[in-house]
Amino acid sequence: DTAVSQTPKYLVTQMGNDKSIKCEQNLGHDTMYWYKQDSKKFLKIMFSYNNKELIINETVPNRFSPKSPDKAHLNLHINSLELGDSAVYFCASSQTDTEAFFGQGTRLTVV
Amino acid sequence: QKEVEQDPGPLSVPEGAIVSLNCTYSNSAFQYFMWYRQYSRKGPELLMYTYSSGNKEDGRFTAQVDKSSKYISLFIRDSQPSDSATYLCATTIKAAGNKLTFGGGTRVLVKP
Repeated sequence: DTAVSQTPKYLVTQMGNDKSIKCEQNLGHDTMYWYKQDSKKFLKIMFSYNNKELIINETVPNRFSPKSPDKAHLNLHINSLELGDSAVYFCASSQTDTEAFFGQGTRLTVV
Repeated sequence: QKEVEQDPGPLSVPEGAIVSLNCTYSNSAFQYFMWYRQYSRKGPELLMYTYSSGNKEDGRFTAQVDKSSKYISLFIRDSQPSDSATYLCATTIKAAGNKLTFGGGTRVLVKP
C-alpha cells in the first residue's frame, strides 16, 4: 500500500515536448510538494501546496505548472521540455511541520 | 554558497564500524533538523529529526545538533552493508511552509 505514488517512474522524451507527472498520496496529509534532484543528488524544492492552495513557488521556469485537483493529488506539467530539465522529480507530502514522505521519484530524460 | 553544506563522500567503512556524517548550515533561523536516507533509485526516507541542540538516539542512529556552531551530525553504530546509501541532511523553518533545505548528500558504502 504505497503512501506517496508517482507515475510514470521513467520518462524519456524529446526536447520541445510537453509532459505530465502525476502524484497521489493516501496518507490524508494537507501539504504536498514537488522536489527536483539533479545529477549530483542535490534535492531542491520547486512547489508546495496546502489544501490545494499554492504556498511555495521557488524560482522555477514558467514552463513548469503544478496543479492540485484535490488535497490528495498534485500533478506537474512541463511545457517545451529542455535538456536541462533532465533530473529525478520527487513528490512528497506532510501533515506535521517536519516529517515529509517522499514518492519513489520520476526519472525524466530529455533527449 | 549553499545554505546547507555536506561532504559528498563517498565514505567507505568496514562492517561494524561507526559511520560519522556531518553538515553545516548558514541560516541561524533554521529550527528543525533531519536526516534522510536514500537508497539508489528510491525516494528519501526520514531517519531522524530533532529541533534542539544536543543528542537524539534511535537504535543504532544518533543525531547531534550544535546550533551555536550551526553543525549537525549523524552517527551510525555497528554499521551494516544494508546501511550503504546516500544520507541527506535537511533543515526547515516552521514559518516557511515546511520547505526542506537539503545538503548535497553523502554516499556511504559499508563493506562486508
